[in-house]
Amino acid sequence: QQQVKQSPQSLIVQKGGISIINCAYENTAFDYFPWYQQFPGKGPALLIAIRPDVSEKKEGRFTISFNKSAKQFSLHIMDSQPGDSATYFCAASIESQGNLIFGKGTKLSVKP
Amino acid sequence: DGGITQSPKYLFRKEGQNVTLSCEQNLNHDAMYWYRQDPGQGLRLIYYSQIVNDFQKGDIAEGYSVSREKKESFPLTVTSAQKNPTAFYLCASSILGAINTGELFFGEGSRLTVL
Repeated sequence: QQQVKQSPQSLIVQKGGISIINCAYENTAFDYFPWYQQFPGKGPALLIAIRPDVSEKKEGRFTISFNKSAKQFSLHIMDSQPGDSATYFCAASIESQGNLIFGKGTKLSVKP
Repeated sequence: DGGITQSPKYLFRKEGQNVTLSCEQNLNHDAMYWYRQDPGQGLRLIYYSQIVNDFQKGDIAEGYSVSREKKESFPLTVTSAQKNPTAFYLCASSILGAINTGELFFGEGSRLTVL
């Protein structure tokens, strides 16, 4: 129940296209869902995050869509650019616990 | 600049040796964490600390030890009891109270290779 399942494992998108990464969870107690972006050889950095009281959050070209009933959330990258090529991790947390549960990551390659 | 500094960036170790990875932060964050990253496995929590002189085990604490003698420092020792220590180790910190908000700030990692 503590797992966060992320798909796909890898994704290749043409420049200007839309990149979509999906995550699913089982534990309905999760109350915070961040996405992290990691470039090779670097630590992850927070990209965007959402709470379950909203269904969508947009920051620039990045949008999180959240479906509470389906226990799924996704990251959409509009107008994908080669500079977006990185590994993306979804995560989830429970306020009463000291642990952030990460998905296994999606390696995104944006081709010019 | 404020941030998290991990050292060394690369480390090689012979089997049976203990090794200590350094993590220092100047963000004045109360909470600090150690994660292990393996290809295709995501990030798994080893230990975390919310206050000086106190820390808790994460999901994969066996074979690791930590200390938190200063707010700024949270070193991780990989002991010889860790059966598969070759991995990328990430240190992170957060503001206390934001511990479960996902607002973690990561260092650039230390890559440990056991020969």
